[in-house]
Amino acid sequence: EAQVTQNPRYLITVTGKKLTVTCSQNMNHEYMSWYRQDPGLGLRQIYYSMNVEVTDKGDVPEGYKVSRKEKRNFPLILESPSPNQTSLYFCASSFSTGTGGDYGYTFGSGTRLTVV
Amino acid sequence: QKEVEQNSGPLSVPEGAIASLNCTYSDRGSQSFFWYRQYSGKSPELIMFIYSNGDKEDGRFTAQLNKASQYVSLLIRDSQPSDSATYLCAVKYGNQFYFGTGTSLTVIP
Repeated sequence: EAQVTQNPRYLITVTGKKLTVTCSQNMNHEYMSWYRQDPGLGLRQIYYSMNVEVTDKGDVPEGYKVSRKEKRNFPLILESPSPNQTSLYFCASSFSTGTGGDYGYTFGSGTRLTVV
Repeated sequence: QKEVEQNSGPLSVPEGAIASLNCTYSDRGSQSFFWYRQYSGKSPELIMFIYSNGDKEDGRFTAQLNKASQYVSLLIRDSQPSDSATYLCAVKYGNQFYFGTGTSLTVIP
């Protein structure tokens, strides 16, 4: 089944304790991205990756890191989480957004993160 | 900052009616336009995308794009209670996708 797999689904952590949210896709998509979704603010892009070893900041990158060492994986790292990073996080992937056209995202199931 | 605006609703329509959802965007350089449906507690799922001016139909769904007026709309014909969800509009600028905050739709049986 074509899918984007995120783990964990739920996470409660304490301020300052480093954490990683994993994301893996099995569709051979070039483009992967992380979003956070907050009430009233909608989905905001944190980071995106056009392909292996190519990453770029989205609109809200502060406090987050990413890496893209393999095409299928795109982990999101919070080195020192703070309460304002409490949110619902989505990983998403898509075929290339180059001149070949855009086909929209497949989203993962989401990770609900609470930082206390 | 790229703006994608949607009326948050809630929008209520009776079963069998046409639901009309609208989205406006700020940048004329936008390239591609998407509609997603998100059920409560679930992740967004792609309904359809449109690149060119005019209409694109897929089953009960029709997307309409007017680049000159900078709006994109989604029509849902013969609305069903299972269509009750939040509908997200997304616009691609360059290499990034920007989302509106969504319109909540309720279809009343």
